[in-house]
Amino acid sequence: KQEVTQIPAALSVPEGENLVLNCSFTDSAIYNLQWFRQDPGKGLTSLLLIQSSQREQTSGRLNASLDKSSGRSTLYIAASQPGDSATYLCVPGGGSSNTGKLIFGQGTTLQVKP
Amino acid sequence: EPEVTQTPSHQVTQMGQEVILRCVPISNHLYFYWYRQILGQKVEFLVSFYNNEISEKSEIFDDQFSVERPDGSNFTLKIRSTKLEDSAMYFCASRRAGQPQHFGDGTRLSIL
Repeated sequence: KQEVTQIPAALSVPEGENLVLNCSFTDSAIYNLQWFRQDPGKGLTSLLLIQSSQREQTSGRLNASLDKSSGRSTLYIAASQPGDSATYLCVPGGGSSNTGKLIFGQGTTLQVKP
Repeated sequence: EPEVTQTPSHQVTQMGQEVILRCVPISNHLYFYWYRQILGQKVEFLVSFYNNEISEKSEIFDDQFSVERPDGSNFTLKIRSTKLEDSAMYFCASRRAGQPQHFGDGTRLSIL
């Protein structure tokens, strides 16, 4: 059964800092891993998708890495801005379920202070 | 870019009433999902649907819940007799084979 743990649960940083969000998952038989952003009371915005054969993906100030064998992923945010304040969700796709259901963790809630 | 559309964005219903949440998946997608998120909690899988039948459902998805793809474009979630604890944000998602899921913006369901 897939379980996802994200550390830290909450993070508050001053604007401009580089930061790393950590994710671990128990079932490494995944097809891909997505990082989502969720603003309070809103939907899920996909930020990055890493296929299981890839090691990392980059989009602007975001870089996500994947170590499938150890069940870990990190999201690196460079030069953080107040607009980055949100909850970030790491979501491995696939695993032992062949229906493609996604298992979510609690996420990391980020606050970037001006 | 095509997107998953959910209606309504907010639904308020009296306890015990039936409610239908509607989703229009992306047109060439074949796999469909419902998730829910109770306020302050994590997103939880409810059900997956493929080839006009449920392929997997969670413990949450009991006899009060049903899903249907009535006309080849809509994908609906019905809650037969709503309870207070059904209050949550409900997300629909769809995907093609081998591709990631695309999510709708969600329907906020409030049970009074």
